Amino acid sequence: GAVVSQHPSWVICKSGTSVKIECRSLDFQATTMFWYRQFPKQSLMLMATSNEGSKATYEQGVEKDKFLINHASLTLSTLTVTSAHPEDSSFYICSAKPWGKGRYTFGSGTRLTVV
Amino acid sequence: DAKTTQPNSMESNEEEPVHLPCNHSTISGTDYIHWYRQLPSQGPEYVIHGLTSNVNNRMASLAIAEDRKSSTLILHRATLRDAAVYYCILRGAPQGGSEKLVFGKGTKLTVNP
Repeated sequence: GAVVSQHPSWVICKSGTSVKIECRSLDFQATTMFWYRQFPKQSLMLMATSNEGSKATYEQGVEKDKFLINHASLTLSTLTVTSAHPEDSSFYICSAKPWGKGRYTFGSGTRLTVV
Repeated sequence: DAKTTQPNSMESNEEEPVHLPCNHSTISGTDYIHWYRQLPSQGPEYVIHGLTSNVNNRMASLAIAEDRKSSTLILHRATLRDAAVYYCILRGAPQGGSEKLVFGKGTKLTVNP
């Protein structure tokens, strides 16, 4: 149980275009989801906390207008990288925690390459 | 966010026990100690978590020091599939505390055949 599905697993896009990444909790409801970014050989960096029905909370230094987060339902959060540039190329990972459970479940990640 | 300190890397031989240390001297009374691991090109995977008492599950054991300023993740018999980066993370209590997980650099575990 407690599966988080992330889609797509990889995407290549042209510089200047936008890319949407989906994160779904398959067998539980998640009022809160988390978005991370990971560059090669580095740790995960928390970007934002996605809250169902309200605005996301962004970590310091993360541009909210560039990384749009929508959490319209209890099972789906999306991250849109707007006007992507090569420096946005990274591994994006989402996470959620079922209510009442201690553990967090992570998606399998999305490899974004901007060319 | 309370900080943890882990060795950058550790090495083990297959089928031997592995003890992965974590220091968290600034831990607060309500912080839970979480361990996750990440295989290459995958999202992190939950390993174990605890508050004060030692914990065991099918994957590992978590030994927590009496003063809670350090903990040790124990893999009883390492396999090649255990080669990963292991992260020790402190997480605040659900009520009133921060629910976000903030990752440190972790320990890269290499398992030799």
